[in-house]
Amino acid sequence: DTGVSQDPRHKITKRGQNVTFRCDPISEHNRLYWYRQTLGQGPEFLTYFQNEAQLEKSRLLSDRFSAERPKGSFSTLEIQRTEQGDSAMYLCASSSPRDYQETQYFGPGTRLLVL
Amino acid sequence: GENVEQHPSTLSVQEGDSAVIKCTYSDSASNYFPWYKQELGKRPQLIIDIRSNVGEKKDQRIAVTLNKTAKHFSLHITETQPEDSAVYFCAASTWNTGTASKLTFGTGTRLQVTL
Repeated sequence: DTGVSQDPRHKITKRGQNVTFRCDPISEHNRLYWYRQTLGQGPEFLTYFQNEAQLEKSRLLSDRFSAERPKGSFSTLEIQRTEQGDSAMYLCASSSPRDYQETQYFGPGTRLLVL
Repeated sequence: GENVEQHPSTLSVQEGDSAVIKCTYSDSASNYFPWYKQELGKRPQLIIDIRSNVGEKKDQRIAVTLNKTAKHFSLHITETQPEDSAVYFCAASTWNTGTASKLTFGTGTRLQVTL
């Protein structure tokens, strides 16, 4: 499978715990995006990377959230001191400037449930 | 920032009928409008997109129209089939060659195609 992959697919945690999600983009896609999707809503932008540089962060990304893409390949999204309001689907997408109009291809998402 | 509104939130049509989903956007700088289909438990997948220099685009049973003056765009699905049942999201972004761009999504339309 050469698509965007995410791990884990599901995560259940207790409030106050830290969680980390991983995203592996399509090979050679230098742009990587994180979105959050709550039930019944469209994905909401969190942050994006071009290579290893984090170029934009949404105000939704509180201080408890941190994202990295250390080598310009896979990315991690960490949530510290999780809250019940963090329960959502976390989607990763990647794109390449070589593609016509830079279609963003989404991964299957990581569904987080904070108890 | 950009705001995208989408209507209706649910749509039920009989197999073979047409379905129309409408979106409006607020930022006149937006120039790229993709539509994603998301089946239950699966990743969003691009089904069609349009740029602001084009008024209409068609791909088999799917078409998208764009009215820049009114800032609205619509998805048209003809001869609907049961496999068209899914949640459809419109999105908007300001896309330029060389720069990545976040997508702002609508709230989604749940399409149900009945036999």
